[in-house]
Amino acid sequence: EAGVAQSPRYKIIEKRQSVAFWCNPISGHATLYWYQQILGQGPKLLIQFQNNGVVDDSQLPKDRFSAERLKGVDSTLKIQPAKLEDSAVYLCASSHPPQGITYEQYFGPGTRLTVT
Amino acid sequence: AQSVAQPEDQVNVAEGNPLTVKCTYSVSGNPYLFWYVQYPNRGLQFLLKYITGDNLVKGSYGFEAEFNKSQTSFHLKKPSALVSDSALYFCAVPWAAGNKLTFGGGTRVLVKP
Repeated sequence: EAGVAQSPRYKIIEKRQSVAFWCNPISGHATLYWYQQILGQGPKLLIQFQNNGVVDDSQLPKDRFSAERLKGVDSTLKIQPAKLEDSAVYLCASSHPPQGITYEQYFGPGTRLTVT
Repeated sequence: AQSVAQPEDQVNVAEGNPLTVKCTYSVSGNPYLFWYVQYPNRGLQFLLKYITGDNLVKGSYGFEAEFNKSQTSFHLKKPSALVSDSALYFCAVPWAAGNKLTFGGGTRVLVKP
């Protein structure tokens, strides 16, 4: 089966600019996650969707970050305006069962964002 | 709160030697534990998970992990390391409903020929 797709793979922007990342999960996966991975750290969950609804966005900096999954398939994560500390790899993941705590997540290759 | 810790930032091992990557956990209730690997410029790949049952869990690429309740540990092991095993390894624990994952800080493994 095809894996999780993400684009772009790399992005360089100046601070205060906006940027958007796209993710297409594995076909049939109801749950989609966005993680932020700062260099030298483990990934940190930003937001979780189940189909087209938000399950958890408690760790999303909502003053500048937004995400949507309008049709319950692909998703977009946006940052506006970007700050230097947003430089990180943004990982998208998906899993099949809606609430399966024991099921593994499948990760995309990530988008490496550099804010200058 | 559910958490995991990886006490070593980096592990160096010679090819052919045993590899161990350490992880300790702090979990309320029954622990579910995962190991993921991240190769350069690639996303995380699932290696194995502990749900219940046997304390020795076998996973992908010849890796296995030993769950030890008394020591609250879930160390990743491979009997004979390969140069291609050089990567970043993460231990993770799900929390709350919805399978959200909390990751450890990661351990970089360098296998030298």
